[in-house]
Amino acid sequence: AQKVTQAQTEISVVEKEDVTLDCVYETRDTTYYLFWYKQPPSGELVFLIRRNSFDEQNEISGRYSWNFQKSTSSFNFTITASQVVDSAVYFCALSELGSGGGADGLTFGKGTHLIIQP
Amino acid sequence: DAGVIQSPRHEVTEMGQEVTLRCKPISGHNSLFWYRQTMMRGLELLIYFNNNVPIDDSGMPEDRFSAKMPNASFSTLKIQPSEPRDSAVYFCASSWGGVGNAEAFFGQGTRLTVV
Repeated sequence: AQKVTQAQTEISVVEKEDVTLDCVYETRDTTYYLFWYKQPPSGELVFLIRRNSFDEQNEISGRYSWNFQKSTSSFNFTITASQVVDSAVYFCALSELGSGGGADGLTFGKGTHLIIQP
Repeated sequence: DAGVIQSPRHEVTEMGQEVTLRCKPISGHNSLFWYRQTMMRGLELLIYFNNNVPIDDSGMPEDRFSAKMPNASFSTLKIQPSEPRDSAVYFCASSWGGVGNAEAFFGQGTRLTVV
């Protein structure tokens, strides 16, 4: 069975600090997909990134970066020079290749509540 | 594109009443998902459809819950009869479900309160 663990329930940092959100996953499939979503106080879920299991390249998008390591089953998310607007709950999620080759549902971690203090 | 549209945004109902949540996926997407978010259990997948066909409903909590997708542009999640423990935020999401599990785009959610 698939599982996603986000051990950090809440993180609080001061603005401009770098912060890393941890994500560890479990799956028996060799083909799977990893995601990060952001849920700001307004409640919607905003897609941030998708990674497939065959692509271990790290990715950088502005102040955001992701480190995918299959050896440790981790997909960590780093925010550089954090800003107050980054305050939100961040979810890591896993999806296995569906039986029909199509999209499968997401298994979410419990989320990490990130608080950026001014 | 307007994104995934859910209605109503908020619903307050009395225990025992029937509740129907509605979702319009993004045009062109062929996979649709219903999720529930609670403080205790986090985000849980309830059911998902591919090309309007239910693929996996193992997350539906019990027979009081049912979901339909009569066409590619509309889905409903019904709870009958509702109970206080059904209080949660219900999200609908859609994606292009071709090979490669595209990212799912979520609606704003429906906050359901059963009193």
